[in-house]
Amino acid sequence: DVKVTQSSRYLVKRTGEKVFLECVQDMDHENMFWYRQDPGLGLRLIYFSYDVKMKEKGDIPEGYSVSREKKERFSLILESASTNQTSMYLCATSSNTEAFFGQGTRLTVV
Amino acid sequence: AQRVTQPEKLLSVFKGAPVELKCNYSYSGSPELFWYVQYSRQRLQLLLRHISRESIKGFTADLNKGETSFHLKKPFAQEEDSAMYYCALLRSGTYKYIFGTGTRLKVLA
Repeated sequence: DVKVTQSSRYLVKRTGEKVFLECVQDMDHENMFWYRQDPGLGLRLIYFSYDVKMKEKGDIPEGYSVSREKKERFSLILESASTNQTSMYLCATSSNTEAFFGQGTRLTVV
Repeated sequence: AQRVTQPEKLLSVFKGAPVELKCNYSYSGSPELFWYVQYSRQRLQLLLRHISRESIKGFTADLNKGETSFHLKKPFAQEEDSAMYYCALLRSGTYKYIFGTGTRLKVLA
């Protein structure tokens, strides 16, 4: 089974903090993604990486950056957390037939 | 514009009743369409893909290019079908998905 593991299930951070969300996959997939999941808005793509050190902006990249130093690890960085970044964050990897998701990190910014 | 539309945020049906979750898409190329499901306290997972033309857990979905729809259907709903369902389109030549806003299905006893 593909395993996509996010480092935290729940995080509470203060406004202005730098926040790191970590994701690791064990299937040697080249493609990894970060999504936000919000009620009524569905999943929105933040960033996408198709190879080590390669990244591409998604639909809502503002306020976020990413790092992919190793194939299996894809990090999402909130440079200065704001309350409107309170959300569920989903990491995913994909083959050409299916996307595999992590369990999600619920981030609350206070 | 490339878009996936799920018009219903919430759909409630009684156990044993038929279910249809609607999905419409807007895409200029040849679409690959999927349904993903998220059960309570579980991760989002693939339910079915249109190219497989298979039935999973009693669910089927047919791609209708004329109506640009990919509705998910099940003839007899079960309580364990209660979940959040997302329709998704895979952008041609990429591994990037466009997701709909999701429909929460509640199957009532």
